[in-house]
Amino acid sequence: AQTVTQSQPEMSVQEAETVTLSCTYDTSESDYYLFWYKQPPSRQMILVIRQEAYKQQNATENRFSVNFQKAAKSFSLKISDSQLGDAAMYFCAYRSSNFGNEKLTFGTGTRLTIIP
Amino acid sequence: AAGVIQSPRHLIKEKRETATLKCYPIPRHDTVYWYQQGPGQDPQFLISFYEKMQSDKGSIPDRFSAQQFSDYHSELNMSSLELGDSALYFCASSLSTGGHEQFFGPGTRLTVL
Repeated sequence: AQTVTQSQPEMSVQEAETVTLSCTYDTSESDYYLFWYKQPPSRQMILVIRQEAYKQQNATENRFSVNFQKAAKSFSLKISDSQLGDAAMYFCAYRSSNFGNEKLTFGTGTRLTIIP
Repeated sequence: AAGVIQSPRHLIKEKRETATLKCYPIPRHDTVYWYQQGPGQDPQFLISFYEKMQSDKGSIPDRFSAQQFSDYHSELNMSSLELGDSALYFCASSLSTGGHEQFFGPGTRLTVL
């Protein structure tokens, strides 16, 4: 079974600065997908960014980028130019590429606080 | 753009009662997932359906059942409710031939008294 570990329960960053959230995972599969989801106080789960394991290039979405290290099974999220609206719980998630096994396995989350 | 719709948004039940949660996926999405998120926890996978057939099963209690109907909406039925069932229940949908992202609904907050 796959596991996802987020070792930082809480992080804080000054507004406009950069912060990196860590995520490691364990799997025996060679092809899979990784995601970062954001959960603000409204509790809505919002997809931030995704990465296909077969792609070597790191995914980028505006101020959000990832550092995907497949051999190390590491998938960190970098948020640049942090904004007050970035304050939320961030979950790292793993999804197998096998049909019929597409469930998301989440880490325990990192609560990000933005300091004005 | 259309999103995943869940109803009701809030539900209060007594112990041993029954609850039914509904989910309407994004149009043309063929897969529906149910997750349970307890207080301070990460979401836990319960069950999924692909083209109206159960495709995967997680840590779903035997007291819970679910199905997907011909119009692709899904219902999660919960019987003999316990205090520990109080949680946020998410439905998510995806397109199997798409980008593999799961798009989440706003959730149903179930409180069992």
